[in-house]
Amino acid sequence: ELKVEQNPLFLSMQEGKNYTIYCNYSTTSDRLYWYRQDPGKSLESLFVLLSNGAVKQEGRLMASLDTKARLSTLHITAAVHDLSATYFCAAGGGADGLTFGKGTHLIIQP
Amino acid sequence: DAGVIQSPRHEVTEMGQEVTLRCKPISGHNSLFWYRQTMMRGLELLIYFNNNVPIDDSGMPEDRFSAKMPNASFSTLKIQPSEPRDSAVYFCASSFSGSGYTFGSGTRLTVV
Repeated sequence: ELKVEQNPLFLSMQEGKNYTIYCNYSTTSDRLYWYRQDPGKSLESLFVLLSNGAVKQEGRLMASLDTKARLSTLHITAAVHDLSATYFCAAGGGADGLTFGKGTHLIIQP
Repeated sequence: DAGVIQSPRHEVTEMGQEVTLRCKPISGHNSLFWYRQTMMRGLELLIYFNNNVPIDDSGMPEDRFSAKMPNASFSTLKIQPSEPRDSAVYFCASSFSGSGYTFGSGTRLTVV
């Protein structure tokens, strides 16, 4: 059974700082996904990582994948308040659906 | 494209009543997934369909839950009878062969 663990589950940080969210998964997975969820909203796709060593960047967010270590990271550079949200990683994929981590609740304070 | 469309957005019902949640996937997507989100358990995959056929319903919590996909453009998730512990946000998502997953806006269900 595929299990996905994120840490930390809660993160409060100041604007301008850098931080990393970690995502470990238990078995081989085709792909690794990162989603953002704002309170009361749906899940918004951020990144899909398809292969070992994959790195993707969008604005202040950068995601990477190490399939040998079964580890993905989401790095936040010079955080701004608008990035406050809950971030989920998910593994699995194909036609079998995704298994999600518990989510990282991120608060960025001025 | 209007994305994945779910209805209703909010549902409040009394314990014991039947509840039906609806989902219209993105046209051309061949996989459809129902998820439940709660504070305690996070996002759980309940059931998924591939080409309208249920593939894995092992995530469905009890026999009170059932799901159908009569055609490529419509799916329902039914709870009968509903219980307070079923209160959650239910998301539908669709995908084309797992190439990417698009989530609907969700249905917030409250059973009182």
